[in-house]
Order: sequence, then C-alpha cells, then structure tokens
Amino acid sequence: DAGVIQSPRHEVTEMGQEVTLRCKPISGHDYLFWYRQTMMRGLELLIYFNNNVPIDDSGMPEDRFSAKMPNASFSTLKIQPSEPRDSAVYFCASSFEAVPYEQYFGPGTRLTVT
Amino acid sequence: AQTVTQSQPEMSVQEAETVTLSCTYDTSESNYYLFWYKQPPSRQMILVIRQEAYKQQNATENRFSVNFQKAAKSFSLKISDSQLGDTAMYFCAFRSGYSTLTFGKGTMLLVSP
Repeated sequence: DAGVIQSPRHEVTEMGQEVTLRCKPISGHDYLFWYRQTMMRGLELLIYFNNNVPIDDSGMPEDRFSAKMPNASFSTLKIQPSEPRDSAVYFCASSFEAVPYEQYFGPGTRLTVT
Repeated sequence: AQTVTQSQPEMSVQEAETVTLSCTYDTSESNYYLFWYKQPPSRQMILVIRQEAYKQQNATENRFSVNFQKAAKSFSLKISDSQLGDTAMYFCAFRSGYSTLTFGKGTMLLVSP
C-alpha cells in the first residue's frame, strides 16, 4: 500500500487566495483526520470523518476553513480566504475501525501564506 | 479532557547510549491506549510503539521500549543503542476508546556521534 497520500507537499500563496489541500487515505480505512502543526500550538486536530461523514469539526479554527470527504478515497481541506497565520504543516491521517488505536499519517503539506 | 505532558523540550544523547523520554498524562478513563510517534526532519509522523492500558506488560519494539506506570499515569520511552537516525521529534499521544488522539508538545532528541 502506498500509505496516506497528500498533495501538494508544499504550497506558497498570497494572503486572500483560496487554498485546497488534498488527501487520499489508505484503502479500507474508514476514519480520516486532518491536523495542523505549528511551533506555537503543536499538533491540533481540525476535523475527522467516519465513513465519509464529518464527526467532529470543533477544531476548525473559523469559517474560513472547510473540509469535505466526497468518497472513501478522497478528502479536501480548503481555506478561503487564506491569512498569514494559517501558515503551518497540515497532516492527513487515516485509521481502520477494527484497529482503533493506530493512525497512519501522510507526509504533510507545508503551507506558507505571504 | 485528557492532557498529555512532555516535560523535556530537548534531549541529547551520544550514539550507542541509552536515553529515556518522559511523558505523563491525565485521564479519568480506565481503558485507553498510549503511543509514541517519531517525526524526523522529513516531518513524516511514524508510529514507534503503542501500549494498551489493560496490559501490564511493557511494550517493546526492537531498541524501543516503554515504562508504563498506570497508577502514576506515566509512559516513558527508552531508546537503547541510540543511532544517528533516531534524531527526531518524539511525540507522546493518548487515545481512549474510539476518541481522537491527544498529543504532547514533543521532545526533540538529538543523537550525536
């Protein structure tokens, strides 16, 4: 298996632009998580899905952030409009319900908003 | 709410030596899981080891082992025969039941020749 796939690996954009981050979970996994990592706040859970349904989005910082999972093999995290304080590494992770204690992480997307 | 505390922001060790990273957590749950993740400079998060709270035996994975003290809510990671490739940020994480992972702030480990 290729593992969790994220794209792009790096994104540089100007303030005010829309940013879309993409994630392909491991095939067969039914949980998908989006995290944000910064030096100041560490790793934060933004939102997670179970069977494509958002379960908890209480970590989403504000309405500028949105996430979707249209099918079991694809999810997006969108920021519109982006701000410099959104600069961070964004990770996607997936897990399988029958083995609930292990999450597999993607390589992350480093986002820089200038 | 669960909290995970890693009190050592940075640690250094020489190659071939042993180092222990500390982690404490706070929870009212009785059944839960604990993890150590490694994040090397490539920034990929890699699972190093996990421990189920109901198991009394400490988990081991090759050179990595844990000291799980349930009553003290302590979960330390011991790395034996440290290697240069062990240089990374190490995160302790907690999960109860089907809840999400709660991470500590991390400990940066530098292994020097």
